[in-house]
Amino acid sequence: DQQVKQNSPSLSVQEGRISILNCDYTNSMFDYFLWYKKYPAEGPTFLISISSIKDKNEDGRFTVFLNKSAKHLSLHIVPSQPGDSAVYFCAAKEAGGSSNTGKLIFGQGTTLQVKP
Amino acid sequence: NAGVTQTPKFQVLKTGQSMTLQCAQDMNHNSMYWYRQDPGMGLRLIYYSASEGTTDKGEVPNGYNVSRLNKREFSLRLESAAPSQTSVYFCASSEARQGAQYFGPGTRLTVL
Repeated sequence: DQQVKQNSPSLSVQEGRISILNCDYTNSMFDYFLWYKKYPAEGPTFLISISSIKDKNEDGRFTVFLNKSAKHLSLHIVPSQPGDSAVYFCAAKEAGGSSNTGKLIFGQGTTLQVKP
Repeated sequence: NAGVTQTPKFQVLKTGQSMTLQCAQDMNHNSMYWYRQDPGMGLRLIYYSASEGTTDKGEVPNGYNVSRLNKREFSLRLESAAPSQTSVYFCASSEARQGAQYFGPGTRLTVL
């Protein structure tokens, strides 16, 4: 059973519009949520994160929203640019207290295409 | 400051051969991780090392072994490669408390 799910394998948007990528999770013990971007033939790069005690975090064109009651997070990219075309992974970290290993559980990924 | 480096970038093995994937980080991170990425499966954790001297199994450890050589280096060994181990392998490191992991460029492995 997958604890972190990205139900949309792909998303296509027009340049300048908003891209919304979604992620659902099942484990209430997650304390951090992260988004990664991955270009072909490269490693994933960290994009933005949010603590479970917050509901929004913003960094430039990227905003992550967390809805704990729905166990749902989303990444908004405004405005979208062709260079944003990549695979986006959401990930979640389980709270571990003194035994915090930092392990992440990843979703399957969503391929975003931004058309010029 | 190179971040996380991995060698080799590409490798082709025959079934039954062995090999070691190397990973090093220069960010003084305590924790290191090995993942594999397969189409439609996201990134799955193979093994991790929360700190120097410790290693633990992740989600898909069968067929792999690891060594945390020192704080900088974490290697992944395939003792007897199988076609099911054809994948892209990523190494990552983090300061566990913050959560963000930083990834290497990956090793593309094909087992024939």
